[in-house]
Amino acid sequence: QVQLVESGGGVVQPGRSLRLSCAAFGFTFSDFGINWVRQAPGKGLEWVALISYDGTDQYYADSVKGRFTISRDNSKNTVYLQMNRLRGEDTAMYFCAKGDGSGSGYGIDVWGQGTTVTVSS
Amino acid sequence: QSVVTQPPSASGTPGQRFTISCSGTSSNVGSNYVHWYQQLPGTAPKLLISRDNQRPSGVPDRFSGSKSGSSASLAISGLRSEDEADYYCSVWDDSLRGTVFGGGTQLTVL
Repeated sequence: QVQLVESGGGVVQPGRSLRLSCAAFGFTFSDFGINWVRQAPGKGLEWVALISYDGTDQYYADSVKGRFTISRDNSKNTVYLQMNRLRGEDTAMYFCAKGDGSGSGYGIDVWGQGTTVTVSS
Repeated sequence: QSVVTQPPSASGTPGQRFTISCSGTSSNVGSNYVHWYQQLPGTAPKLLISRDNQRPSGVPDRFSGSKSGSSASLAISGLRSEDEADYYCSVWDDSLRGTVFGGGTQLTVL
């Protein structure tokens, strides 16, 4: 069965870095784009980043552009989100989410359970 | 504030037919597929409707989607107490070159 498992969340000080991982199971990982979506406490969903099926194309929300980097290792069925220069407003649950196509323009059909990131001194 | 607009809250009674709107522009809803998600309290979102009106297997046929121009709608017929949740639309935006989510609609079943 299709499954996404996030890890790497935790408490980090403002200005520091954190790397999230998303391990995928149950589908041909190298055929699909993968997104990161976050949800601040008590708030709505905010799309963060997308990486295409082969890693050649990356897309970012303006709120994270220049600070976050999405990457993937298709040999390990894993996507990463490197988060640098973290701010308090980055505090959220981060969901890994499978696209229903190879890259941009597609929706999300499977979500992970999420990993929590708290940015606080 | 999201570029795609949903009503923030709504309420209905059991058995009622209910719709949630998702309004956008020609760069998003007007030119790309809209998707709908249900998020129950304390859980991850779940896909309800993909590509404007496609219902994934396992989603009850009480849920349906439609789109006209730059507006889309999610309809729930025969409202049930277990439908009480947050509902989000999402769509790719050609100008922003990213996915945008509506602000979400919190549905209360009275």
